[in-house]
Amino acid sequence: AQTVTQSQPEMSVQEAETVTLSCTYDTSESDYYLFWYKQPPSRQMILVIRQEAYKQQNATENRFSVNFQKAAKSFSLKISDSQLGDAAMYFCAYRRDLPAGNKLTFGGGTRVLVKP
Amino acid sequence: NAGVTQTPKFQVLKTGQSMTLQCAQDMNHEYMSWYRQDPGMGLRLIHYSVGAGITDQGEVPNGYNVSRSTTEDFPLRLLLAAPSQTSVYFCASSYLQGRGTGELFFGEGSRLTVL
Repeated sequence: AQTVTQSQPEMSVQEAETVTLSCTYDTSESDYYLFWYKQPPSRQMILVIRQEAYKQQNATENRFSVNFQKAAKSFSLKISDSQLGDAAMYFCAYRRDLPAGNKLTFGGGTRVLVKP
Repeated sequence: NAGVTQTPKFQVLKTGQSMTLQCAQDMNHEYMSWYRQDPGMGLRLIHYSVGAGITDQGEVPNGYNVSRSTTEDFPLRLLLAAPSQTSVYFCASSYLQGRGTGELFFGEGSRLTVL
């Protein structure tokens, strides 16, 4: 079974600075997808960024970018120019490609605190 | 613009009681699923469905029952509630792979406490 590990239970960052969240995963598959979801205090799950394993280029969404290292099975999230609204739980998630459907396996989460 | 709607948002039960968490989506998604979220453990898959009349077990299915009679609805039933089922429950839906981005769309969550 696939597993996803987030080794940092909590990270703290100063407003306007950069923080990097770690994620490693275990799989024997070659085709899969990786996601970062954000969960603010409202409890809503919000997709931050996604990466297809077949793409070598790292995904970027505004201030959020990933460092995808397929051989190392590592998928870190970098938040640049951190804002107070970035404070939340962040979950890394893995999904196999067809025919496994859309089952997502989540890591345990990293809480990000943003200091003004 | 409803998306995924879960009800109720909060519920307190006594051990042994039963209840149903409702989930409805209006995006015509084939795939629907239920997760539970516990501190330090992320979200774990309970049950999922790839279409009306088709359901399957996830990682932690014991104590839960599901059915999928329509594309829109995917209720989760707790038949004999236990304190170990105290958790936050999320319903999520998406198109099946090959359509869209595969992104899961989540409901707002339901906090369940079993005393």
